[in-house]
Amino acid sequence: GAVVSQHPSRVICKSGTSVKIECRSLDFQATTMFWYRQFPKQSLMLMATSNEGSKATYEQGVEKDKFLINHASLTLSTLTVTSAHPEDSSFYICSARTWTGGPHEQFFGPGTRLTVL
Amino acid sequence: GQQVMQIPQYQHVQEGEDFTTYCNSSTTLSNIQWYKQRPGGHPVFLIQLVKSGEVKKQKRLTFQFGEAKKNSSLHITATQTTDVGTYFCAGRVNSGGSNYKLTFGKGTLLTVNP
Repeated sequence: GAVVSQHPSRVICKSGTSVKIECRSLDFQATTMFWYRQFPKQSLMLMATSNEGSKATYEQGVEKDKFLINHASLTLSTLTVTSAHPEDSSFYICSARTWTGGPHEQFFGPGTRLTVL
Repeated sequence: GQQVMQIPQYQHVQEGEDFTTYCNSSTTLSNIQWYKQRPGGHPVFLIQLVKSGEVKKQKRLTFQFGEAKKNSSLHITATQTTDVGTYFCAGRVNSGGSNYKLTFGKGTLLTVNP
């Protein structure tokens, strides 16, 4: 299947700093990427949908100025957590949509575990 | 907004026993997908169901989509320790255009006692 990578896999930062997470589709072009947040033993909560070359669509309750998303190319989307605080600590997972192997299938990246001290 | 309920939240079985997790949507779905997430891992796509009443099998896994396209189930026959993980259903509502947003259920954590 299609491969999606995320970098970094883990990051620990101080409160008030910004953290950038990269999501790459390695062997296919992803016109749409999704960013999810997952708390321990919880479900995946969709934060935003990112379309290449256009502004991301944020879900209700997600601050777009807090979570900056850029989808500059068909293989790369970035999520920047600005002025991170301890409550932003979570597991952030991206996924990319492709038609290969079947419609509407989403391939998930390995996730980034963010810890804000 | 659309809600996808999934039960049970946890299920512990003896190896060899069967396991079933159920999903129920508040609205009619255009399709439903199932994912498995191993502990410490990320969700991995298992299958997609599109047609009303559809049943698909993958070895010991059987997936069903209800006639009304509002519920679905995943049944594992004779569980093995490799089946351990959280199983998520994710439903998509056909809202037209290019909206491919999936709404995930809370997942069912399956543990298997060898």
